[in-house]
Amino acid sequence: QSALTQPASVSGSPGQSITISCTATISDVGGYNYVSWYQHHPGKAPKLVIYDVSIRPSGVSSRFSGSKSGNTASLTISGLQAEDEAHYYCSSYRSSRTYVFGTGTEVTVL
Amino acid sequence: QVQLVESGGGVVQPGRSLRLSCAASGFTFSYYPMHWVRQAPGKGLEWVAVISYDGSSKFYADSVKGPFTVSRDNSKNTLYLQMNNLRVDDTAVYYCAKTRIRQWPSVDAFDFWGQGTMVTVSS
Repeated sequence: QSALTQPASVSGSPGQSITISCTATISDVGGYNYVSWYQHHPGKAPKLVIYDVSIRPSGVSSRFSGSKSGNTASLTISGLQAEDEAHYYCSSYRSSRTYVFGTGTEVTVL
Repeated sequence: QVQLVESGGGVVQPGRSLRLSCAASGFTFSYYPMHWVRQAPGKGLEWVAVISYDGSSKFYADSVKGPFTVSRDNSKNTLYLQMNNLRVDDTAVYYCAKTRIRQWPSVDAFDFWGQGTMVTVSS
């Protein structure tokens, strides 16, 4: 059972904003300060869109933003576009040099 | 540009072995910890293993601890995953991924991934 719980699906219309939550269900997720988010289109390599909770890598659209409150991290996609339709996964460093991924969220653009 | 290319996947019977490779280019491979991540059909991503930049430290998910061994050859810019005693539930696409910063121990994100190689364990 994953230590990071995400909603199975989130949808929105073009131009809208959506938020995907990622809740830590166990206590040993390294203080939950090393949360990252990945966009995954089927058949392609996953892409890093947020690291260290809220930092956007170079080249990633400013429409992607991350935040955290308590044991829940969130990814917000603003100005939703058709190309944003994909699966999104949160991830966190755990203790003992291991990592964990969230359960994954399918984003649908209506 | 950074490129990671996995190879070595295929169809194998339960109990057999397989070795995956990940050829790296476009960055100084020997500086960075590297990971293996897998995705079973219809399932989410699962972290598998990490190896330090010099290969001296290795850590594994509980689900693969024992049968799987991660290694690297920095002279060949290649990462490996030796998978022994394969089980049906090891069926997945296996990705290699680079750690974002050159730090060990690493707590950082995976900034580049390969396209993956499919491993099917079936009788």
